[in-house]
Amino acid sequence: GAVVSQHPSWVICKSGTSVKIECRSLDFQATTMFWYRQFPKQSLMLMATSNEGSKATYEQGVEKDKFLINHASLTLSTLTVTSAHPEDSSFYICSARDQDSGNLFGAGTRLSVL
Amino acid sequence: QKEVEQNSGPLSVPEGAIASLNCTYSDRGSQSFFWYRQYSGKSPELIMFIYSNGDKEDGRFTAQLNKASQYVSLLIRDSQPSDSATYLCAVTPPGFQKLVFGTGTRLLVSP
Repeated sequence: GAVVSQHPSWVICKSGTSVKIECRSLDFQATTMFWYRQFPKQSLMLMATSNEGSKATYEQGVEKDKFLINHASLTLSTLTVTSAHPEDSSFYICSARDQDSGNLFGAGTRLSVL
Repeated sequence: QKEVEQNSGPLSVPEGAIASLNCTYSDRGSQSFFWYRQYSGKSPELIMFIYSNGDKEDGRFTAQLNKASQYVSLLIRDSQPSDSATYLCAVTPPGFQKLVFGTGTRLLVSP
């Protein structure tokens, strides 16, 4: 069945480095994927909408140069956190819409920036 | 006004009781409404979705939608300790596929 696979599930990095998170749709194609961020005890906040073959649409207040999104194929979107800092430490979750199953979520990536 | 509002809780109910979770939304044109359950440190999992006014039942869960009043609720019958989690209400704004989430209601079911 349709599944959204997200990798890695957990990453620790040094301040100033870049981290790439992958989101894949399995058994379905996703022209649109969504990237959310969740801080502890808070809800999911949409960061950006990733569109296959075109530029991502960022939500207000999200720096597009810091959070680079690439959606090069119908089954893969990547989020790169550039020059990560401790305040970027969060739980990042991707989502894709399958026409039969609705909005499916990846397992999430917990980013810790030291 | 937030787009989707929920009481943060915690809502505490004894095992076997009915838990009632509520959510209001601001965009009257919203078409799709979802309830997700999220355990600590995990990704949300879909419980139910509802598009039309009225009730929709699935096992122990019933979603209720009232578009005129702009609220959607989730009833959990025969609550179990394993139901203890944060329940997120999500709405699809008109013309979009994205989900806008409420802050979630934490449910605690005591044995």
